[in-house]
This record gives sequence, structure tokens and C-alpha cells, in this order.
Amino acid sequence: AQSVSQHNHHVILSEAASLELGCNYSYGGTVNLFWYVQYPGQHLQLLLKYFSGDPLVKGIKGFEAEFIKSKFSFNLRKPSVQWSDTAEYFCAVKHGSGNTGKLIFGQGTTLQVKP
Amino acid sequence: GAGVSQSPSNKVTEKGKDVELRCDPISGHTALYWYRQSLGQGLEFLIYFQGNSAPDKSGLPSDRFSAERTGGSVSTLTIQRTQQEDSAVYLCASSFNSGNTIYFGEGSWLTVV
Repeated sequence: AQSVSQHNHHVILSEAASLELGCNYSYGGTVNLFWYVQYPGQHLQLLLKYFSGDPLVKGIKGFEAEFIKSKFSFNLRKPSVQWSDTAEYFCAVKHGSGNTGKLIFGQGTTLQVKP
Repeated sequence: GAGVSQSPSNKVTEKGKDVELRCDPISGHTALYWYRQSLGQGLEFLIYFQGNSAPDKSGLPSDRFSAERTGGSVSTLTIQRTQQEDSAVYLCASSFNSGNTIYFGEGSWLTVV
């Protein structure tokens, strides 16, 4: 069955540190990839997505992610985090073909940024 | 409205009672999804509606769970004979169609006591 694995469950960083959150998925076909963020007390918001084309995608708030097909990975990065980036981050995968819209989510990574 | 709207935002119910959770998707969105987020867990897919097609119910955890979508818009998730393990945040989401970005509501917090 299709699954998504986020390696880091809880990450603590100081402001200005660089961030990389790992995401691996298990599915051999065409995929659409997403990172969602959930700030404290708020609903899930889309950070960025990959459907096709340039495997390095840029999202909001300075985040980017790189799709590496050979590694089944879609890691999220930010060069310099801010206190306001404290949130929970979810990687998600959807089949890129067919009409199924089902998103499969990872377990999430809680990021705590210390001021 | 501008976003996905869910009600109630919070619900406390006694074990064994039935609950209904409502979702108003973004206007014009044909695809609607229900997910569940339990404490310390990721998001668990429950059910997916796309237009007039038969819904994908593969994520419903038991026959106590059901959902319907009337008129291709509003959806209701019903949990019968609630159990304590049903306590979670129930998230609704919608998208323009199945291939587009999915937008989430703020969720309905359900607590079964």
C-alpha cells in the first residue's frame, strides 16, 4: 500500500538555523507531492506542491522542496528559519494518474524554533 | 464562503451517542474529502467524493462511520454509537477537482466521554 514516511518527529532549532525535513514515499508510479503546514491553532495550509517539471519547487515563506525520483523523496528545506516557522509540517502524496484524489499523509514533524 | 467551513468546531458527546459533523466546501469545488487527525497521529483518510461518482469509502474505520454529500456541495459525516477512540479532529477539505490543490477547513474537534 502507498505510504509516506517522515523521518523526524520533533525538531528543535534556533532562529537562523537551516532546516531540512525528510519525506519518503512508497509508490512506483507518477506522483503528486505536497507539503502542508499547520501553525498552532490554525488549519492546514499548503506550503508547496510538485506535479511535474522542475524537481526543485519553491513555496511560500522561503520554503523549497526537491523531488528526487530515484530516492522516492521530497525533502523540505529552508535556509534560515524564524520563530514564526514553529508549526507542524506534513508531507503528502497522491497518485498522479487516474481520478483518485486521495492524499496520503505522513505522520507529521513538529518544528520548534527557539528565538 | 472563502474557505472550507466546518461545524461544529467543538463537540463533546457521551459514549454511545450519534454525532453529525458538517462540511461546506469552497464554492465550485467538486471534490470533497474527510480526514481524521488523532492526538500524536498523522492525517488518516476517511472518505472522498468527486462529483457524481461513487465515493471512495476505503478509509472509513468501521460501519459506524458514514458520510453523504447532498447536491454535490454540503457533506455530513455521521458517527453512530460513538466510542472513546473516535475522539479526534475531523478535517474536511475540498478541491476544484481531484487533480488540484486540496484546501482544508479548521476541523471539528470531537471528544467522546
